[in-house]
Amino acid sequence: AQRVTQPEKLLSVFKGAPVELKCNYSYSGSPELFWYVQYSRQRLQLLLRHISRESIKGFTADLNKGETSFHLKKPFAQEEDSAMYYCALLQYQAGTALIFGKGTTLSVSS
Amino acid sequence: KAGVTQTPRYLIKTRGQQVTLSCSPISGHRSVSWYQQTPGQGLQFLFEYFSETQRNKGNFPGRFSGRQFSNSRSEMNVSTLELGDSALYLCASSQGQGGNYGYTFGSGTRLTVV
Repeated sequence: AQRVTQPEKLLSVFKGAPVELKCNYSYSGSPELFWYVQYSRQRLQLLLRHISRESIKGFTADLNKGETSFHLKKPFAQEEDSAMYYCALLQYQAGTALIFGKGTTLSVSS
Repeated sequence: KAGVTQTPRYLIKTRGQQVTLSCSPISGHRSVSWYQQTPGQGLQFLFEYFSETQRNKGNFPGRFSGRQFSNSRSEMNVSTLELGDSALYLCASSQGQGGNYGYTFGSGTRLTVV
């Protein structure tokens, strides 16, 4: 079954500390993975796609097919990074659909 | 460029009633998808539409239906509402026929069934 697992419901770090939000997936095929972020009282928005291998707001994510992981990393957390982060897998089945993990709340304190 | 617009923002309905939610995608986006967000189940896929055709459907009962119009606007309908249908319903639009470019989400319609 296709599945996305985010093992941590809450991750609390201090400002300036490194951040790693974990994401593991189960998919029989070549996965397309995304990270979405939802800041307080804002809409869900795309943070980055693994295909584009970009860095957005200092965040990067590398696809590791051997470990079936797509962890989100940032070397130095900022207070404005506090938000809910969702890892998502694009499923192809006739059309397309995003399979979301349950999300991780990142709390960055000073 | 206007984002994805969902109306209404809030709805309160009684069990057994039906409800229609509306979504206007970003101009030029022809793919529209719907998701249900609840605290217990998280984000779950409902439907995907492209060029007025439903291309994909999630694992929801037949009480949940939708459609897309020629201007790409979409509606979803829930009939015979149940308490468990209380949720935030999100609409998302995408370039092309799928979500590989990433989806742009609306602010959602919060449905409360009493």
